[in-house]
Amino acid sequence: EAGVVQSPRYKIIEKKQPVAFWCNPISGHNTLYWYLQNLGQGPELLIRYENEEAVDDSQLPKDRFSAERLKGVDSTLKIQPAELGDSAVYLCASSMGQGDGEQFFGPGTRLTVL
Amino acid sequence: GENVEQHPSTLSVQEGDSAVIKCTYSDSASNYFPWYKQELGKRPQLIIDIRSNVGEKKDQRIAVTLNKTAKHFSLHITETQPEDSAVYFCAASKGGNKLTFGTGTQLKVEL
Repeated sequence: EAGVVQSPRYKIIEKKQPVAFWCNPISGHNTLYWYLQNLGQGPELLIRYENEEAVDDSQLPKDRFSAERLKGVDSTLKIQPAELGDSAVYLCASSMGQGDGEQFFGPGTRLTVL
Repeated sequence: GENVEQHPSTLSVQEGDSAVIKCTYSDSASNYFPWYKQELGKRPQLIIDIRSNVGEKKDQRIAVTLNKTAKHFSLHITETQPEDSAVYFCAASKGGNKLTFGTGTQLKVEL
């Protein structure tokens, strides 16, 4: 069974440009997460979906970040416009159910903003 | 919100020795405490977790202990091997799988 898939793996853009990340969770996993991981730090939750509903987006900078999970499966995270400080690894994860349990992470997208 | 502190930030041990990583949390309502291992350039992977209704859990060379009164939990790795070298993250949640991660510990197992 395939794990969480993310693309692209790497992205280099100029500041003020838009960028989008895509995530395909493990089949059957209803809960999907987007995390931000800065170098030398732990992942920080940006947004959590239960099926297609965003149930926790309190940490998402809504002035420039947006996310969607159409049909409750794949998800896209967008930044527009990107800033230098957005350079980081963006991790997607998924899990079964709504209770606490193992989260399965994707390989991440490493974003560099020049 | 929850705050998780993790120590040490780096840890170097000789192969075969034990390694201990400690975390403290702030929210007494937290009841789920997983540990993730992240190798260089790879995704984080769960290695062990513990819930607040137990004080200790073991899985082969790995164990986790939880002290709810003191609000701290620890990861213990015995008989360390070179493949244990990685960054280890603790995390805490009080439900809904909303994890707050620690800042990580870089473990290096030297031959």
